[in-house]
Amino acid sequence: AQTVTQSQPEMSVQEAETVTLSCTYDTSESDYYLFWYKQPPSRQMILVIRQEAYKQQNATENRFSVNFQKAAKSFSLKISDSQLGDAAMYFCAYRRLDNYGQNFVFGPGTRLSVLP
Amino acid sequence: GAVVSQHPSRVICKSGTSVKIECRSLDFQATTMFWYRQFPKKSLMLMATSNEGSKATYEQGVEKDKFLINHASLTLSTLTVTSAHPEDSSFYICSAPPGRMNTEAFFGQGTRLTVV
Repeated sequence: AQTVTQSQPEMSVQEAETVTLSCTYDTSESDYYLFWYKQPPSRQMILVIRQEAYKQQNATENRFSVNFQKAAKSFSLKISDSQLGDAAMYFCAYRRLDNYGQNFVFGPGTRLSVLP
Repeated sequence: GAVVSQHPSRVICKSGTSVKIECRSLDFQATTMFWYRQFPKKSLMLMATSNEGSKATYEQGVEKDKFLINHASLTLSTLTVTSAHPEDSSFYICSAPPGRMNTEAFFGQGTRLTVV
């Protein structure tokens, strides 16, 4: 079974600075997807960024980028120029390439605080 | 992006009663929907996979007779918590993928259930 680990239960960052959230996963599959989801106090799950395992190029979305190391099964999220609105729970998620629907495996989450 | 609407957002019920939570895909059809449970400060735990026109698939340890799932149409899945007990109090979230090969799932707003 696949597992996702986030070793940092809590992180904090000064506004405008950069922070990196760690994620490792375990799978025997060769093709899969990885995601970072953000859950603000409203509890709505919001997609931050996604990465296809077959792509070597790291995904980027504006201030958010990932460092995907497939051999090491590592998928960290870097947030640049942190803003107060970035404060939230961040979940790393794995999705296997399933023909029918999508079954996500979520990590335990990292609570990010942004200090003014 | 695609929209998933979950209702109600909050519900309080008495022990022993049943409560129904609805999950609707507003602008796309979903043959599959997922139901998650989230304990305070914890990650999302997959409870079951709802399949339109057939029986739901439950994860190990989830009581199918307590958590009844019905996926009556391509846009609606319901989760009924039967004979609710205080330990059923939790945050429940549904999600749906817009299409078979689409990589992203969309989440409902979640339902906070409190059993008193």
